[in-house]
Amino acid sequence: EVQLVQSGAEVKKPGESLKISCKGSGYSFASDWIVWVRQMPGKGLEWMGSIYPGGSDTKNSPSFQGQVTLSADKSISTAYLQWHSLKASDTAIYYCARLVIGARGINYLDPWGQGTLVTVSS
Amino acid sequence: DIQMTQSPSSLSASVGDRVTITCRASQNIMSYLNWYQQKPGKAPNVLIYAASTLQSGVPSRFSGSGSGTDFTLTISSVQPEDFATYYCQQSHSTQYSFGQGTKVEI
Repeated sequence: EVQLVQSGAEVKKPGESLKISCKGSGYSFASDWIVWVRQMPGKGLEWMGSIYPGGSDTKNSPSFQGQVTLSADKSISTAYLQWHSLKASDTAIYYCARLVIGARGINYLDPWGQGTLVTVSS
Repeated sequence: DIQMTQSPSSLSASVGDRVTITCRASQNIMSYLNWYQQKPGKAPNVLIYAASTLQSGVPSRFSGSGSGTDFTLTISSVQPEDFATYYCQQSHSTQYSFGQGTKVEI
């Protein structure tokens, strides 16, 4: 079974750093892009960026450029999302998802991790 | 950037109703359009990809249509387990974007 398991909920203060993880299993982790998606409380889904664990190529949303760092360690099938200085507005659920790419460039997100709730409050 | 606009933002339906949700892209995305279902407290799950292909395991009451800029998700006979929020997502550009979501309520 293809699965993505994310790290647990975090409570942080503004200005603190944080790195959350997403561990894949049941497939060749290095061969498929991982996408990160933010969902702020009561809001919709926002694409943050994508990383290719096999070569650590990244694509970043302009909305999140410079705010977060995407990385991956293919040796342990894990992708990471990192902040150097959190803000209260970073409070959200963060999802990772595998990008499935098929014929003719068809691509979609499946499966998704269970989500990591990040709460930033003084 | 490609903007995705869904309508309506919410709707009320009864069990057995036919439900239609529309999604419009700000430019031609061919058939690179996916639909996801999200239930409260859960991660999204893909229902339909490439505008009209049903993901394995998804009930046949769900269907998708459209190409170019206008797309539709239809639930032919809504069931109690279908009350959720639905999102469209364009995958034509690798700068992915989602619609704002449509909440289907009882």
